Parts: sequence; C-alpha cells; structure tokens
Amino acid sequence: EAGVAQSPRYKIIEKRQSVAFWCNPISGHATLYWYQQILGQGPKLLIQFQNNGVVDDSQLPKDRFSAERLKGVDSTLKIQPAKLEDSAVYLCASSLQGLSTDTQYFGPGTRLTVL
Amino acid sequence: AQSVSQHNHHVILSEAASLELGCNYSYGGTVNLFWYVQYPGQHLQLLLKYFSGDPLVKGIKGFEAEFIKSKFSFNLRKPSVQWSDTAEYFCAVRYPSGSARQLTFGSGTQLTVLP
Repeated sequence: EAGVAQSPRYKIIEKRQSVAFWCNPISGHATLYWYQQILGQGPKLLIQFQNNGVVDDSQLPKDRFSAERLKGVDSTLKIQPAKLEDSAVYLCASSLQGLSTDTQYFGPGTRLTVL
Repeated sequence: AQSVSQHNHHVILSEAASLELGCNYSYGGTVNLFWYVQYPGQHLQLLLKYFSGDPLVKGIKGFEAEFIKSKFSFNLRKPSVQWSDTAEYFCAVRYPSGSARQLTFGSGTQLTVLP
C-alpha cells in the first residue's frame, strides 16, 4: 500500500515569508497529524484531524500557523510569517481511526530552513 | 503535561553486542507505549508497541521491550545488534483518556553499530 506522501521535501525561505506544506495520508485513514521535529528533539504534535475536523490543536502557534483538511483526505499546513525558530522537519502522519492504540504511519517530512 | 525521557543520546556498539535503550515516562495510569525507529534517509516506522497484557513485547527485527509499571519504564532491548541497526530510536507514550491523549515522543537515541 502507498505510504504517507509529503511535498516539498525541502524548503528554504527567509524570515517573514510564508510557506505551505502538503500531505496525502494513507488511503482510508481517518486521522491525520502534523508534527514539528526540531533538530535534536523528538516530534511534537502540532495538530490532529479526525476526517475534516480538528481534534487537538493545543500546541499549534495559531498566530502564525494554520492547517486545513477540507475534504477529509489531504491536508496543508501553512506558516505565515515564518520565524527563524520555525526551522525544523515537518512530519505528517496518519492512522486508521485515531485511537490511542493505533499505529501512526509517518511520511518522509519536509525540512524547512528559515534564514 | 506528560514527558518521556531517553537518557542516552548517542550509543556506540560493536556488532554482536547487546543493546538496551532506556525510556521513562512521567506518570502512571493506563498507558500505551511505543518504540519508533528512523533508519538513515527513511521514514519513522514502528518497531513495537504495548497496550496491555504480557509486559514483554516482541517487535520486528529481533527487538523487544519490557514494560515495568513500578518504574515507569519501557526499555528497548536486542541481544545482538547488527550494523543495519544503526538508526535513531524514539520512545513514545500515549494515554487513552484524559487531557494527555496525544502521542508524546522522547528526544531520541542515536545508535551507531560499528562493523
């Protein structure tokens, strides 16, 4: 089965610019997650969608980050404006139902560098 | 908020040596525990998971982990490592109820196996 797809794989921008990342989860997976992984740290959840509704966005910096999953399939994560500290790998993951026992399947990530 | 501690940031072993990577989580209650692995240039993928039952869990590629509730620990083990086990290993915890239901990762342990 096809895995989680993400694009672009790499992005370099200057601070105060905007950027968007795209994710296509595994077919049939109702739950989609966006994580931020800063160098030397583990992934940190930014937002979780169940179909096209937000389940948890408690750690999303809402003044600059936004995400949507309009048709309950693919998703975009946007940063506007970017700051230096946003340099990280942005991971998308999906799972079948979002249960705490579900395995989350991760995409390859988008490595963002903010100059 | 819950936290996960991986005390070893970088472990270097020779082939055929035994491996044990430590993982401790911050508080008790019913908990779901995971070990993920990221091989060089690849996605994060699940090694093994524990929900309930036998506290000794076997995963892929000869890995196993033991859940010790009294110590809030879920250490990863392998009796004899191979060069191909070189990767970064992440412990993660998720609670099935309450305010801490998101998957929380430790900071990871980089394992280097020398041929």
